[in-house]
Amino acid sequence: ELKVEQNPLFLSMQEGKNYTIYCNYSTTSDRLYWYRQDPGKSLESLFVLLSNGAVKQEGRLMASLDTKARLSTLHITAAVHDLSATYFCAVDPDSNYQLIWGAGTKLIIKP
Amino acid sequence: DAMVIQNPRYQVTQFGKPVTLSCSQTLNHNVMYWYQQKSSQAPKLLFHYYDKDFNNEADTPDNFQSRRPNTSFCFLDIRSPGLGDAAMYLCATSSPPTGRLFEQYFGPGTRLTVT
Repeated sequence: ELKVEQNPLFLSMQEGKNYTIYCNYSTTSDRLYWYRQDPGKSLESLFVLLSNGAVKQEGRLMASLDTKARLSTLHITAAVHDLSATYFCAVDPDSNYQLIWGAGTKLIIKP
Repeated sequence: DAMVIQNPRYQVTQFGKPVTLSCSQTLNHNVMYWYQQKSSQAPKLLFHYYDKDFNNEADTPDNFQSRRPNTSFCFLDIRSPGLGDAAMYLCATSSPPTGRLFEQYFGPGTRLTVT
């Protein structure tokens, strides 16, 4: 059974600090997605990672994918309050057009 | 702008009273999904359509049904809502098979309250 594990599940940090969210998965896949969700809102696509070694950056967020280690990271640089949200990773297990979702990381950034 | 639209955004229904949630898309995507999400948990896939081909998740209760009359529209019917069905319901679309990319585009969601 494919499992996707995120850690930490909850992260409280100060503005200006750097931190990394980890997404581990249990089967081979070379497609991984990061989504953001604000409280009470829907899911917003952040990054699509389609191959081993893929790295994408948008503002203070950078995502990477290591398919050999079955690991993706979402790195936050010099965090700002506006980045407070829940972040989900999801893996495409190459079957039946579905995504397998991590539990989400709730990120709170304090001024 | 191409998008995924859900109506209503907020729905209050009584225990046991059938309710229908709707989703429409202007993206012309083949695949449409219905998810249930509770309290910022991971979204839980209920079912999906590839064109008119319906795929039900094994653990989706029989109380939940879906219809897709055409490419643009998809409906979620809850035949007898219980208190445990209160949740955010998310509709999403995707468009394989170009590059086998299954990025999913989400609608704004319908928040269902059961009284």
